Amino acid sequence: ELKVEQNPLFLSMQEGKNYTIYCNYSTTSDRLYWYRQDPGKSLESLFVLLSNGAVKQEGRLMASLDTKARLSTLHITAAVHDLSATYFCAVSHNAGNMLTFGGGTRLMVKP
Amino acid sequence: GAGVSQSPRYKVAKRGQDVALRCDPISGHVSLFWYQQALGQGPEFLTYFQNEAQLDKSGLPSDRFFAERPEGSVSTLKIQRTQQEDSAVYLCASSSRRLAPYNEQFFGPGTRLTVL
Repeated sequence: ELKVEQNPLFLSMQEGKNYTIYCNYSTTSDRLYWYRQDPGKSLESLFVLLSNGAVKQEGRLMASLDTKARLSTLHITAAVHDLSATYFCAVSHNAGNMLTFGGGTRLMVKP
Repeated sequence: GAGVSQSPRYKVAKRGQDVALRCDPISGHVSLFWYQQALGQGPEFLTYFQNEAQLDKSGLPSDRFFAERPEGSVSTLKIQRTQQEDSAVYLCASSSRRLAPYNEQFFGPGTRLTVL
């Protein structure tokens, strides 16, 4: 059974600081996704990572994938209040492409 | 260019009532997924369609849950004899093979079900 674990579950940080969210998964997978969810809203796709060593960046967010370690990271650079949200990683199974999600990291950026 | 839409957005049901939740996927998307998201948790897979065929229903929590997609477009998730533990947000997502290898799933706004 595929398990996906994120840490930390909750993160409070000051504007301008850097931090990393970690996503570990238990079995081989071919795709890893990062999503953002604002309170009461649906999921917004941030990144799709396909291969070992993949790195993608968008604004202050950078995601990377290490398939050997079964680890993905989401790095936040110089956080701003607008980044406050819950971030989920999700891993797909090759057959059917269903997603298994981590428990989410609730990020709060304080001015 | 409309995204995935779901209705109703909010549903309050008395315990024991039947409910039906609707999902309109992005036009032309072959794959459709239903997920259940409990408060403060990540979404959990319920079921998956490719066109009208239900290829995986392993995540449906009980035989009170039933999903259909008869014409390969709109899908309905039905919950019979609702229980309090069914209270959650039900998310629908669709994807297209043309987006391979990403096979990115696009999510609807969800239906928040509250069972009293």
